[in-house]
Amino acid sequence: DQQVKQNSPSLSVQEGRISILNCDYTNSMFDYFLWYKKYPAEGPTFLISISSIKDKNEDGRFTVFLNKSAKHLSLHIVPSQPGDSAVYFCAAGVGTSGTYKYIFGTGTRLKVLA
Amino acid sequence: DARVTQTPRHKVTEMGQEVTMRCQPILGHNTVFWYRQTMMQGLELLAYFRNRAPLDDSGMPKDRFSAEMPDATLATLKIQPSEPRDSAVYFCASGGPGTDNEQFFGPGTRLTVL
Repeated sequence: DQQVKQNSPSLSVQEGRISILNCDYTNSMFDYFLWYKKYPAEGPTFLISISSIKDKNEDGRFTVFLNKSAKHLSLHIVPSQPGDSAVYFCAAGVGTSGTYKYIFGTGTRLKVLA
Repeated sequence: DARVTQTPRHKVTEMGQEVTMRCQPILGHNTVFWYRQTMMQGLELLAYFRNRAPLDDSGMPKDRFSAEMPDATLATLKIQPSEPRDSAVYFCASGGPGTDNEQFFGPGTRLTVL
């Protein structure tokens, strides 16, 4: 049973527009969430995180929103750039500082069209 | 430039053979994670260690997989005997105090079992 779900396997967006990637989770014990970006033949690289005490975190073009009541988080990329084309994984975790165990979603492949 | 290293990057073997994958975590990180990426399951957590002690290996098939940390600079994941269904990309990640709950991934080992 998938505790973290990314229901859209792929997404195509025009350059300059907003990309919205969604993630749902089932376990209310999760209290820290991450987004990773992955290019082919490379390991995932950290993008942005959010703690359950917040509902929004912003870093440049990337914003993550958390809706705890709906157990839903989303990643907004604006404006989208061709270099953003990659697979994006969300991860939900429980633990203590420095030792979090994360459950990852299956990923969404984003393609930004020039 | 601190990064997680993994060897080998690619491994092709025949069914029944032993496979050993190695990971060198970032110096100073005290948690090490092993993940497997498949098309259907995304990133699955196989096992993780804190201060070299195994904390959770519930994601691993116990009869054929084993994970160890002989010292703080080396983590190993062994499959014996290997099967075609083990074909996947195996990632190691490290983290720990001062990393803001983030995990840093290595480039992965692509395993093909014929």
